[in-house]
Parts: sequence; C-alpha cells; structure tokens
Amino acid sequence: GNSVTQMEGPVTLSEEAFLTINCTYTATGYPSLFWYVQYPGEGLQLLLKATKADDKGSNKGFEATYRKETTSFHLEKGSVQVSDSAVYFCAAESGGSYIPTFGRGTSLIVHP
Amino acid sequence: DGGITQSPKYLFRKEGQNVTLSCEQNLNHDAMYWYRQDPGQGLRLIYYSQIVNDFQKGDIAEGYSVSREKKESFPLTVTSAQKNPTAFYLCASSIVGGQEQYFGPGTRLTVT
Repeated sequence: GNSVTQMEGPVTLSEEAFLTINCTYTATGYPSLFWYVQYPGEGLQLLLKATKADDKGSNKGFEATYRKETTSFHLEKGSVQVSDSAVYFCAAESGGSYIPTFGRGTSLIVHP
Repeated sequence: DGGITQSPKYLFRKEGQNVTLSCEQNLNHDAMYWYRQDPGQGLRLIYYSQIVNDFQKGDIAEGYSVSREKKESFPLTVTSAQKNPTAFYLCASSIVGGQEQYFGPGTRLTVT
C-alpha cells in the first residue's frame, strides 16, 4: 500500500519567515497528492492538490510541486502569518481505492 | 450551504457504555468515511462506505460499528469493546472516484 512521510514538528517560525514542510511518498502507480490543513479544534480542509508529475498546486500563498523523480510534494510559503498556525497533513491516493493515505501531520506555530 | 455536520462537538461517557456519533452530509456524496485522530498519530481509517447499505472495515475497525441506511447519514457506534475510545473522531465524504475528501468539524469523545 501507499505510505506518506512528513517531517516531524512542531515547526516554529516568526511571522514573514519562509516555510517548507517536507513530504515524501511511496505508492503504486502515479498517485494524486494533497495537502490538508487542520486549524485547532476543527476538521481538515483541502489546501491544495496535484494529480500528475510536475503539476504545481497552489492556494492562499502556499505551493507544492509534484516531483516524481524524488517522490516528494513539499509544501512552501514565502511569508507565513500568525493565522497560518495549524497542523498540515500530506496525503497520497492511488490504486483505485479512492481512499487517501495520510501522513502523521506537521504542526506549524507562527509567532508575531 | 452544503457541508458535513457532526454532533455533538464534545461527548462524555462512562466506560462500558456504547455511544453513537452522528455524521450527516448534504453534498450528495456517495462515499463517507470515519477516521480516528490521536495526538501525533495522524488519521486512522475506521470504516468507509461507498454506497447505501454497504460499508467496509478500515485499518482499526475493532470495537466500532456503522450503518449506512441513507445516503446522507453515516453514524458510528463506539462499543464497550473498544479498549481505548477516548479520541477525536472525524467524518468525511467524497464522490466515489473523486479525489478530495470533505471533513466535518469532528467530535471529541472522552470515556472515563
């Protein structure tokens, strides 16, 4: 089956710093890749996705590029805000089950 | 407004009691899912259903039961056989064959 590995958190940054959260995957075939965000006490929301190699997903200033050669989908943002503090989950879906495999989540804390 | 509702937000039960968590969606999605979230462990799939009157076990189904009598509803029962039921429970839905999941706000269950 698929597996997704994310960097361990928490990641602690000052406001306006550059963010990278690493995500690598192992999967059969060519998975679709996702980043979800979970704000405190809430459910997950889709942040961005990419469905084929070299695709770049982007939303709210966040970006991630599907890198088949390195099996990676790292999340980046050029300038984080306090309101970006949340837990970020990377996920991969393939194999026809339509059920994604989630990473363990990475907590981001942004200080003013 | 389309979405997924879970109720209640917080639930307290005594050990040995069964408890049912509600999940309703008005997105017209065929597929629905239940996940359990524990600190540092990401999301673990309990049960999923891709059509009314049918459901499948996920990775950690022991001690849980579900029903899918209506397209809109997918209640989860946490039985007394579940050894460690205290957790945050998330319900999600998607179109079958679709890629992204839509999550409810979650129910935090505490069993003492």
